[in-house]
Amino acid sequence: EVQLVESGGDLVKPGGSLRLSCVGSGFSFHNAWMIWVRQAPGKGLEWVGRIRSKVEADRTYYPAPVKGRFTISRDDSKSTLFLQMNNLKAEDTGFYFCATEGSASMNFWGRGTLVTVSS
Amino acid sequence: QSALTQPPSASGSPGQSVTISCTGTNSDVGAYNYVAWYQQRPGNAPKLMIYDVTKRPSGVPDRFSGSKSGNTASLTVSELQAEDEAVYYCSSYAGENSLYVFGTGTEVTLL
Repeated sequence: EVQLVESGGDLVKPGGSLRLSCVGSGFSFHNAWMIWVRQAPGKGLEWVGRIRSKVEADRTYYPAPVKGRFTISRDDSKSTLFLQMNNLKAEDTGFYFCATEGSASMNFWGRGTLVTVSS
Repeated sequence: QSALTQPPSASGSPGQSVTISCTGTNSDVGAYNYVAWYQQRPGNAPKLMIYDVTKRPSGVPDRFSGSKSGNTASLTVSELQAEDEAVYYCSSYAGENSLYVFGTGTEVTLL
């Protein structure tokens, strides 16, 4: 059974930093393309980072709202995905989900971790 | 990249069908056969229901079906059941730079 468990969410002040983790099991983590998706309270979904597998040089992608502030990385030896978030803003508040990427879709999701950016 | 447009709500009686639309542009929905649909129940993570416009992952009932015409994709839920009450989001691949764009979400309720 595929499992993804996120952690690291917290209350942080504007301008602060946070590192999220996502541990995967039940699938071949090192071959998987992984993605982070966030959801502001009561709002829709938005992808915030994607990383390919090591055979594709761990190539990373970011949308404009987070480019330069967020960094996605992975440690395949620990089946763990990371999201380093710097210079956080109030609009970054929300649940952050990690997911495996299938055919142009997110086929398995974790339960999410809550990030709150507030002074 | 603007969000894909979905109706805010849709409803149907148990046993009936409901169809949700998802309208994009020539740069996303109209450009690729890579539309997906997700079901999100309150307090839960999204669940993939349809991918590649029409394909169902293992375990998803065949009451769920997808289609596309031009810049608009659709999800049909047949034989509505209480467990189908949820918010449904569409998404589309939008090219190597934008990657994915999501829909605004449609809340499905049973009458």
